[in-house]
Amino acid sequence: NAGVMQNPRHLVRRRGQEARLRCSPMKGHSHVYWYRQLPEEGLKFMVYLQKENIIDESGMPKERFSAEFPKEGPSILRIQQVVRGDSAAYFCASRFHNEKLFFGSGTQLSVL
Amino acid sequence: KNEVEQSPQNLTAQEGEFITINCSYSVGISALHWLQQHPGGGIVSLFMLSSGKKKHGRLIATINIQEKHSSLHITASHPRDSAVYICAVGGEYGGSQGNLIFGKGTKLSVKP
Repeated sequence: NAGVMQNPRHLVRRRGQEARLRCSPMKGHSHVYWYRQLPEEGLKFMVYLQKENIIDESGMPKERFSAEFPKEGPSILRIQQVVRGDSAAYFCASRFHNEKLFFGSGTQLSVL
Repeated sequence: KNEVEQSPQNLTAQEGEFITINCSYSVGISALHWLQQHPGGGIVSLFMLSSGKKKHGRLIATINIQEKHSSLHITASHPRDSAVYICAVGGEYGGSQGNLIFGKGTKLSVKP
């Protein structure tokens, strides 16, 4: 049973481009969470999804950011028109019901 | 004041020493998480607890709900324990179960 898979591991984008970050949860896990870790700062919750539904997006910036978790395929965190302030490590985690979280290795986004 | 405070921020220990990392929080919670972030960036969930005490190998986590305080203990520390240890709380204050508030982390370095 592979762990939580995130790709790409590193992503470089120029200002104004789009960034797509993918997360495949552990097999059997239907709860997916996205977190952001800005340089020299702590982790911050962004969004919680279950299959085809956004449950809690209270931590997501209102503009340019969106997330989905389709019936088939990985969860996607999409950032449109990236800016330098979006440079951060983005972590995905999954869980089975109320058990502990399993984290992916993260995607390091660098905006030039 | 941050809702989750960890102490100390940095900790250097000699191999074999007993280590304690503290976490205090100011919100109502249903669960507290201890996470380990390795120098490469990967995050591992060590414990999720809502009362009492849990033990896994050389790691022990305790929580006192009345005092809103948790401790993570490492017995017989080893250089491979060197990492950032992060406390996170979630649940009762109204967010979803993965809508965690994270502490800033305690950077532990164990010298051989």
